[in-house]
Amino acid sequence: DAGVIQSPRHEVTEMGQEVTLRCKPISGHDYLFWYRQTMMRGLELLIYFNNNVPIDDSGMPEDRFSAKMPNASFSTLKIQPSEPRDSAVYFCASRKDRGYGYTFGSGTRLTVV
Amino acid sequence: GQNIDQPTEMTATEGAIVQINCTYQTSGFNGLFWYQQHAGEAPTFLSYNVLDGLEEKGRFSSFLSRSKGYSYLLLKELQMKDSASYLCAVRDKTGANNLFFGTGTRLTVIP
Repeated sequence: DAGVIQSPRHEVTEMGQEVTLRCKPISGHDYLFWYRQTMMRGLELLIYFNNNVPIDDSGMPEDRFSAKMPNASFSTLKIQPSEPRDSAVYFCASRKDRGYGYTFGSGTRLTVV
Repeated sequence: GQNIDQPTEMTATEGAIVQINCTYQTSGFNGLFWYQQHAGEAPTFLSYNVLDGLEEKGRFSSFLSRSKGYSYLLLKELQMKDSASYLCAVRDKTGANNLFFGTGTRLTVIP
């Protein structure tokens, strides 16, 4: 089991550019979560999917953020246009339907300059 | 909504015992979790409490009091490798049983 795989590990981009973060959940996990972590606010839930369907995106900061899950093994989080305040570590996590254990990916450290 | 509070930073000595407290308010409590996160790494699961009392797992123990909205993580025989952030998270059944995290406590273990 390779765990939850995120790419890239680090991303540095200029303000105004589009950024796409990628996640491959653990096979067989029904839920996928995108979190953002900052020093000030800790881990914040942005959006989650159940069986590839977005269930709650109320944590998405604004319309510049969007997320998709086209199939059970792949999800993307897109920021367009990016702003310096988007700089944070973005984590993807997955879990089974009846399980309580979340498995986190290694995260993507995003820096917008 | 959810409100989770824990101290921002703590320092303890190698070999000692440290207790990290967490208080929470949530409308649909359905379990409390502790995660460990080393700098630059992903959070990893440490413990889970859903009933009142103490859960022990090696050098780590976690306690829960649902009536007080209170939990603590106890680390014994501290080692330098225990220097990390410790995240308290509550599972909320009104939030689809999702996890909501506190901002974490950064523990520094000194020789």
